[in-house]
Amino acid sequence: EAGVAQSPRYKIIEKRQSVAFWCNPISGHATLYWYQQILGQGPKLLIQFQNNGVVDDSQLPKDRFSAERLKGVDSTLKIQPAKLEDSAVYLCASSPTTGWEQYFGPGTRLTVT
Amino acid sequence: GNSVTQMEGPVTLSEEAFLTINCTYTATGYPSLFWYVQYPGEGLQLLLKATKADDKGSNKGFEATYRKETTSFHLEKGSVQVSDSAVYFCALFYGQNFVFGPGTRLSVLP
Repeated sequence: EAGVAQSPRYKIIEKRQSVAFWCNPISGHATLYWYQQILGQGPKLLIQFQNNGVVDDSQLPKDRFSAERLKGVDSTLKIQPAKLEDSAVYLCASSPTTGWEQYFGPGTRLTVT
Repeated sequence: GNSVTQMEGPVTLSEEAFLTINCTYTATGYPSLFWYVQYPGEGLQLLLKATKADDKGSNKGFEATYRKETTSFHLEKGSVQVSDSAVYFCALFYGQNFVFGPGTRLSVLP
């Protein structure tokens, strides 16, 4: 069974630029999560999808972050414009349904200079 | 709100030593509890879980027991190996939300 795929693995941008991350969850998984993991901290949930609907986006900075999950499969997370404090690893995870074991992708390491 | 507290790292042990990583939680109800492990350069992997009070999760020699009375889910292993060097995250699930602790880095020396 293929795992959660994310791309790119690494990205370096200047502040005020925009960036997009892509996630392909495990086939058949209805729930998809995006997390932000700042160095030395635990993952912080940004947004949770159930199929293509948003379950929780209470911690997503909506003035600069956006996410979508078209057709309930792949998802993209966008930051526009980026700030220095957005430097982090962005993790995507999926699960068969809400509350079940999450399977994490390798993450995208973003550096904003 | 719901939260998870873990002992601060890094924790440095010699091979074959006994490991305990403390985890306590705050939740408005009875959450499910998890330990995830993150090896260098890799994503998080589920290590073990427990879904109700007094349940014991176990995997790869690691164990943790869901203690409702002390709101704790401490991770233990009787004899650690160099390959156990990683960051360990305690997490809870309640309602529709996962909450992760800050992580504890473990280094095992040969």
